[in-house]
Amino acid sequence: DAGVIQSPRHEVTEMGQEVTLRCKPISGHDYLFWYRQTMMRGLELLIYFNNNVPIDDSGMPEDRFSAKMPNASFSTLKIQPSEPRDSAVYFCASSLQGTGNEQFFGPGTRLTVL
Amino acid sequence: AQRVTQPEKLLSVFKGAPVELKCNYSYSGSPELFWYVQYSRQRLQLLLRHISRESIKGFTADLNKGETSFHLKKPFAQEEDSAMYYCALSGPEDSNYQLIWGAGTKLIIKP
Repeated sequence: DAGVIQSPRHEVTEMGQEVTLRCKPISGHDYLFWYRQTMMRGLELLIYFNNNVPIDDSGMPEDRFSAKMPNASFSTLKIQPSEPRDSAVYFCASSLQGTGNEQFFGPGTRLTVL
Repeated sequence: AQRVTQPEKLLSVFKGAPVELKCNYSYSGSPELFWYVQYSRQRLQLLLRHISRESIKGFTADLNKGETSFHLKKPFAQEEDSAMYYCALSGPEDSNYQLIWGAGTKLIIKP
């Protein structure tokens, strides 16, 4: 397995544009997490899914952020419209219940909003 | 409230010196504690967890329930240990499944 896959690895966009980040979890994992990492705030959980169902989205900063998981092998995080303060590294992670809560992280998407 | 505190944002030590990355937690119950590491340009990955009681890359961490701490230690630091370290907490597997993360400590090992 290639591990958690994220695309794109880097995204540079202008303020006001829509941004879509993509994630493919490890096959068979039933939990998927979206995180944001910044120097100021560290690692923040945005939302997580269990069996494709959103469980907790209390970390989503505002209505401009939305996440979907249409099937077990794909999830998206969308920002519309994007703002410069959204610039961060966005990580996706997956895990399998019953394996001791270890989360496996993707390489991250570095987002820059100009 | 569940919380993980890493008091040091940055820790800089010389190669060969002992390293201790501090982690304190607040949790009413029996938590599971983890240390994750992020090397430069690499993905975040699990370093060790308290239930396995292993030594990984020379690092150990002991859960001290009395002091509610889970400090990460290594007797002799190496340059390749330079990385970002996160302490994380989880409740029992049949409860809320998310990890509670500390703010992270950037460890720099000076030659």
